[in-house]
Amino acid sequence: EAGVAQSPRYKIIEKRQSVAFWCNPISGHATLYWYQQILGQGPKLLIQFQNNGVVDDSQLPKDRFSAERLKGVDSTLKIQPAKLEDSAVYLCASSRAGGPYNEQFFGPGTRLTVL
Amino acid sequence: AQKITQTQPGMFVQEKEAVTLDCTYDTSDPSYGLFWYKQPSSGEMIFLIYQGSYDQQNATEGRYSLNFQKARKSANLVISASQLGDSAMYFCAMGLTGGGNKLTFGTGTQLKVEL
Repeated sequence: EAGVAQSPRYKIIEKRQSVAFWCNPISGHATLYWYQQILGQGPKLLIQFQNNGVVDDSQLPKDRFSAERLKGVDSTLKIQPAKLEDSAVYLCASSRAGGPYNEQFFGPGTRLTVL
Repeated sequence: AQKITQTQPGMFVQEKEAVTLDCTYDTSDPSYGLFWYKQPSSGEMIFLIYQGSYDQQNATEGRYSLNFQKARKSANLVISASQLGDSAMYFCAMGLTGGGNKLTFGTGTQLKVEL
């Protein structure tokens, strides 16, 4: 089966500009996650969707970050306006719904550099 | 809140030798899962192994085994017969069974396999 797809792979922007990332999860996976991974750190969950509803967005900086998952499939993460500290790799992951354990499958990530 | 601690920023191992990567965790929830992921320089996160908090036996997956010591709250990853391709960043993560499978990651250990 095809893996989690993300685009673009790399993005360089100036601070205060806006940027959007796209994720297509594995077919049939109801749960989708966006993680932020700053250099030298482990990934940190930004937002989790179950189908097209938000399960957890407690660590999403809502003043500048937004995410949506229309129709419960693809998802878009947006940053507007970007700050220098947003430079990171943004990882999308998906998993099947239900059960006490669901392995998360990760995409290749989008490396964002804010200048 | 749960926390994952990986105290080894970097490790070296000779090819064909075994290596142990340390991970300790902290949670007051009795039901949780522990995961290890590998992140090569290409950036994708690759699932390696999982251990549930109620599992009686240590998990094994090929050359990977998880040394789970519940009383000590440790979940060390053992890689046997190291290969050059094992050189990567390794992350320990924890998910709460009732937490929507949200993962909390450690800071990672950079493993370098030498000839």
